[in-house]
Amino acid sequence: GNSVTQMEGPVTLSEEAFLTINCTYTATGYPSLFWYVQYPGEGLQLLLKATKADDKGSNKGFEATYRKETTSFHLEKGSVQVSDSAVYFCALVNTGFQKLVFGTGTRLLVSP
Amino acid sequence: NAGVTQTPKFQVLKTGQSMTLQCAQDMNHNSMYWYRQDPGMGLRLIYYSASEGTTDKGEVPNGYNVSRLNKREFSLRLESAAPSQTSVYFCASGLGGTGSDEQFFGPGTRLTVL
Repeated sequence: GNSVTQMEGPVTLSEEAFLTINCTYTATGYPSLFWYVQYPGEGLQLLLKATKADDKGSNKGFEATYRKETTSFHLEKGSVQVSDSAVYFCALVNTGFQKLVFGTGTRLLVSP
Repeated sequence: NAGVTQTPKFQVLKTGQSMTLQCAQDMNHNSMYWYRQDPGMGLRLIYYSASEGTTDKGEVPNGYNVSRLNKREFSLRLESAAPSQTSVYFCASGLGGTGSDEQFFGPGTRLTVL
């Protein structure tokens, strides 16, 4: 079946540090991959996505590259801010109707 | 343009009580979804509606029912609440189909069953 595995958190960083949150997936076929972000007390919102191998999704300084050979979609940011503190979810949609499969989420805490 | 709205924001029930969670979207989306979020488990799909008039089970449908009242509204009903249903519930909507389109999420309902 389809599944997503994320690194456990929390990830604790100082402002301006480099961020990596690991995500690997298991899926048949060619899924689309997503990163969603959840700020405290809010619902999820799409951060970025990639629909085929070697695509790079980017938004707000965050990037992730769809690596088919390693079945990975790691999230990176060169310099985090306190306002980036949130929970980050990796997700996939496989062929057929659009049903998202989520990882367990990784909490990021950025201190000044 | 309010996006996806959910009511109520918070609810406390006793075991065996029933309630309905309401969800509405104003983006003219075809598809709507109900998820639950539990610590350490991410979001899990309860039910979804690919289009007005259709509903289907997701990963964890037991103990829930849904109604797609019209294109805008998709409600989730707990007939006899159990402590295992204590969770945060999110409604989402999207264009649906077989594409890779974004889903838009509501702010959530935090439900506690005593």
